[in-house]
Amino acid sequence: GIQVEQSPPDLILQEGANSTLRCNFSDSVNNLQWFHQNPWGQLINLFYIPSGTKQNGRLSATTVATERYSLLYISSSQTTDSGVYFCAAHGSSNTGKLIFGQGTTLQVKP
Amino acid sequence: GAGVSQSPSNKVTEKGKDVELRCDPISGHTALYWYRQSLGQGLEFLIYFQGNSAPDKSGLPSDRFSAERTGGSVSTLTIQRTQQEDSAVYLCASSLRSGSGNQPQHFGDGTRLSIL
Repeated sequence: GIQVEQSPPDLILQEGANSTLRCNFSDSVNNLQWFHQNPWGQLINLFYIPSGTKQNGRLSATTVATERYSLLYISSSQTTDSGVYFCAAHGSSNTGKLIFGQGTTLQVKP
Repeated sequence: GAGVSQSPSNKVTEKGKDVELRCDPISGHTALYWYRQSLGQGLEFLIYFQGNSAPDKSGLPSDRFSAERTGGSVSTLTIQRTQQEDSAVYLCASSLRSGSGNQPQHFGDGTRLSIL
């Protein structure tokens, strides 16, 4: 089945800095989502982005399906951005389930 | 409700007991998923329901785990004879449909299960 890898595993930023998180996947995808898991464990939908580019405030994401990667950009980071960012993909060969990467743990320092 | 609702939010039980976890999906969502997140890990797929089709049970870790979805809405995940390795956060998600997997999944807040 599809494999999802995220990098970097950990990231420490100073408030106001920008960052790029990467997600590589091993097969073509029908669904790719980015999530933010906050310190309380809640999993928040950031983007549904099987292809193309989307922006939502300080966050944006780009998926290049032909090259099997997706990028999540965080600009002007804030302490509330801290938490774990997960990329998850649904491959064309498996039923509905999302395969999750291991996540990028982000800490934004004031 | 507006989002996926799970109950209980926390459950502590003794090893060997059975537990039932409940998920109420977003109204109108025909696809429902259960995932498990062990401490410090990513999410692991357990089971998937789509309408009246047979569920995809390929992620269930053992025959002690089972799930039902009655009336195409609420789902219960049952763990029999719980073991300490079952301790995890159990997350439920729903989506509009998933014939080709091209609808975003929306997650509940999870049930944190602790086996003593």
